[in-house]
Amino acid sequence: DAGVTQSPTHLIKTRGQHVTLRCSPISGHKSVSWYQQVLGQGPQFIFQYYEKEERGRGNFPDRFSARQFPNYSSELNVNALLLGDSALYLCASSLGVRVETQYFGPGTRLLVL
Amino acid sequence: TQLLEQSPQFLSIQEGENLTVYCNSSSVFSSLQWYRQEPGEGPVLLVTVVTGGEVKKLKRLTFQFGDARKDSSLHITAAQPGDTGLYLCAGSYNNNDMRFGAGTRLTVKP
Repeated sequence: DAGVTQSPTHLIKTRGQHVTLRCSPISGHKSVSWYQQVLGQGPQFIFQYYEKEERGRGNFPDRFSARQFPNYSSELNVNALLLGDSALYLCASSLGVRVETQYFGPGTRLLVL
Repeated sequence: TQLLEQSPQFLSIQEGENLTVYCNSSSVFSSLQWYRQEPGEGPVLLVTVVTGGEVKKLKRLTFQFGDARKDSSLHITAAQPGDTGLYLCAGSYNNNDMRFGAGTRLTVKP
C-alpha cells in the first residue's frame, strides 16, 4: 500500500510569489495535517483537516491556507512568500481526527529566494 | 517556539554504547509520541505513550512516560549505526494539536 505522498519534492520560488503544495493521504485515512519544519527545528503544526473541514490551526499568518478535497487529498497554499517560509513542508495522515497515530510523507522542500 | 525541550541537542557515540535522550515540558499531555527522522524523509512514528509512568519497549529502545505526563525519555541499548537519525518527541494537548520538540540528533559511529 502506498504511504503518504507529497508533490512536488522540491520547489524554488522568489519572494512575493505564491505556492501550492499537494498531499495524498494513505488510502482510508480521512485526516490530513500540515507541518512546517525549518532547518534545525522540529515540525510546527499549521493545519489539520478532517472530513474536508478545518479542525485545527497553528500560529501561522493568514498567508497560509489549506483545503481538503472529497477524496481526502489536500493542498497547502502560501501567498506572498517570504524568505522565512523556506522550509520542509510535511503532510501527515491519520484514520480519524486524533493525531496520536499519524503517518508522515517525505515532505516538500521549499526554497524562497 | 518549542514548548517541548529535548536534550541533548546533539549526541555522538560509538557503536555498542547505551544512551538516553530526554523530552521535557511544563505542560501535561494527553499522549506523547517519539519519532525518528532521517535526512530527506518525514518523521517515522516509533511509539505512543498515554498513561503516566508507562514504559514501552521496542527491541533495543525503551520509552518511558513521566508519572505526571509532562516528560519522557528514550533509552537505546547497544546502539548501532542504523540508529543514527533525528529523534523527535511530540505531545498532544487535544485530539488535533501536536507540538514537537527540536529533536536530538544522534550519530552512532561504527
